[in-house]
Amino acid sequence: AQSVTQPDIHITVSEGASLELRCNYSYGATPYLFWYVQSPGQGLQLLLKYFSGDTLVQGIKGFEAEFKRSQSSFNLRKPSVHWSDAAEYFCAVVVISNFGNEKLTFGTGTRLTIIP
Amino acid sequence: GAVVSQHPSRVICKSGTSVKIECRSLDFQATTMFWYRQFPKQSLMLMATSNEGSKATYEQGVEKDKFLINHASLTLSTLTVTSAHPEDSSFYICSARGTTRRETQYFGPGTRLLVL
Repeated sequence: AQSVTQPDIHITVSEGASLELRCNYSYGATPYLFWYVQSPGQGLQLLLKYFSGDTLVQGIKGFEAEFKRSQSSFNLRKPSVHWSDAAEYFCAVVVISNFGNEKLTFGTGTRLTIIP
Repeated sequence: GAVVSQHPSRVICKSGTSVKIECRSLDFQATTMFWYRQFPKQSLMLMATSNEGSKATYEQGVEKDKFLINHASLTLSTLTVTSAHPEDSSFYICSARGTTRRETQYFGPGTRLLVL
């Protein structure tokens, strides 16, 4: 079955340090991949997406992600984090459901804490 | 990005009553809308997919008679939790998308439901 795995439940990073959040997917066809961010009590905001083409994708807020087919990964990176980046991050892939609908399947999320 | 609103943002109701949550796409036509449920510190679980003018498709394990979904126009979908019970307390999030899976899903800010 198609799935998304985020191995890290919680990551703590110092402000100004670099960040990498891991995401692995399991999907037979070419995946459509997304990273979303969720602040406490809020909905989800799209950071970036990959459909095809250049495997290094630039997003908002200084984030980027790299699609690596050989590793089935779509890791999110940021060179220097800000305190406002503290949030929950979700990786997601569009899959075809049993009913033929296209739906987003989310990973379990990674909570990012920023320390001074 | 596109804007999706939800109303109400927070609702408290007594057990046995019904609650309606509205999801509106404010600046684009949403051919497809999705309803998710999110438990504390967990990922989003898709409840149902609704296409404008047709019946919603529910995910396995979701009671269609309990969670009534209506998608009567290209800008509005409603989720009605019928005869709500405390175990229905959760964070409900909608998202809206255009015609194809290449189009991004835009998420609403969520509705916090507490059933007493």
